[in-house]
Amino acid sequence: SSELTQDPAVSVALGQTVRITCQGDSLRSYYASWYQQKPGQAPVLVIYGKNNRPSGIPDRFSGSSSGNTASLTITGAQAEDEADYYCNSRDSSGNLVVFGGGTKLTVL
Amino acid sequence: EVQLVESGGGLVQPGRSLRLSCTASGFTFGDYAMSWVRQAPGKGLEWVGFIRSKAYGGTTEYAASVKGRFTISRDDSKSIAYLQMNSLKTEDTAVYYCTRDGESIQGLTYYFDYWGQGTLVTVSS
Repeated sequence: SSELTQDPAVSVALGQTVRITCQGDSLRSYYASWYQQKPGQAPVLVIYGKNNRPSGIPDRFSGSSSGNTASLTITGAQAEDEADYYCNSRDSSGNLVVFGGGTKLTVL
Repeated sequence: EVQLVESGGGLVQPGRSLRLSCTASGFTFGDYAMSWVRQAPGKGLEWVGFIRSKAYGGTTEYAASVKGRFTISRDDSKSIAYLQMNSLKTEDTAVYYCTRDGESIQGLTYYFDYWGQGTLVTVSS
């Protein structure tokens, strides 16, 4: 079982805003990072740290954190954003790394 | 351009061993920690373990599910990371990804900024 919990599925209307959440005790001490994975492809880092976007990631992706919950927000979701999204952070001990179970985002 | 290319996957019987390789290019390999992350068919991502850079001792950490069976090593002269998998179980069947790791200065963030395309390991009799 994962130390990070994500909703299995979320949907959003085209052009609207969606928030994908990740919960876990380790998030009180560590920041989450977020990955997008499309079918048959390797994951891609979209947000890391407090709210950092790698080069090439659209600015409609943003991250935030409060208490034991980290969030990935997509402002103005596009059809190409339909994918699985995973969070990760260090575990509660700080020595290991964990992933959330993933959220399947559907853009309607 | 950063590239990570995994190799060595295939079909293996339960209880046997397999070694995966990750050949890196486009960056100074020795400066980075490297991880292996796996994904069972139709399932989510699972961190397997990482190896720190030599500057941080070159030490390793592993997920509980593989500790004692899997070993990660690196050859900085060849820019290759390895995953030695022993005593394989059917539940080890997955696509195995090699990643380049990033970490914030205070260690508050641990992330994987580049991923290979993965290599499939199937454990079956």
